[in-house]
Amino acid sequence: NAGVTQTPKFQVLKTGQSMTLQCAQDMNHNSMYWYRQDPGMGLRLIYYSASEGTTDKGEVPNGYNVSRLNKREFSLRLESAAPSQTSVYFCASAKTGSGGRVYEQYFGPGTRLTVT
Amino acid sequence: DQQVKQNSPSLSVQEGRISILNCDYTNSMFDYFLWYKKYPAEGPTFLISISSIKDKNEDGRFTVFLNKSAKHLSLHIVPSQPGDSAVYFCAASGSGGSNYKLTFGKGTLLTVNP
Repeated sequence: NAGVTQTPKFQVLKTGQSMTLQCAQDMNHNSMYWYRQDPGMGLRLIYYSASEGTTDKGEVPNGYNVSRLNKREFSLRLESAAPSQTSVYFCASAKTGSGGRVYEQYFGPGTRLTVT
Repeated sequence: DQQVKQNSPSLSVQEGRISILNCDYTNSMFDYFLWYKKYPAEGPTFLISISSIKDKNEDGRFTVFLNKSAKHLSLHIVPSQPGDSAVYFCAASGSGGSNYKLTFGKGTLLTVNP
């Protein structure tokens, strides 16, 4: 059981380059998420998808786009990378219940991105 | 405005003693709470959760206590082990404006000394 997988694990970009981070889950969860983690800032939500076909902005969406390709896959795209986007990115998926409560959320191993 | 606060950035305890990690929240719509543990270079892993209909939930060495009137929860680890050294995140879930996502605190770094 793979859970949540992310690719790549590491990436170095030059300012202005673009890239897509891939995420897939095999737990049949409806909801998927992208977070970034920076020192002292905790986990900040970039975008989420409550269900297939929907996406919503989180706390820090600027500079990012997402695509919910199907129920399993949720990608994060940086169109023009900036040094401020140097971070560790985590994808997650969740089982949600009545009223949209998140009962269980599982994280991938992370992508460490450096923008020079 | 931080809706979930972990006011202690770090905590150091001796092996075998109790570790108590605290978390406060402000949003009355939160009614389900989770604790995550994170080692360096790994993704957070789910540890334990509690619904607002309970005031305590226990799983082995880990117990979470919820005080709804004070909007406070705590994670107790007894006995603490060196392998428990990690960053612990408190998270909250609810209906209304906070639905379909978790709100995280900034984390507490726990160090358990042998």
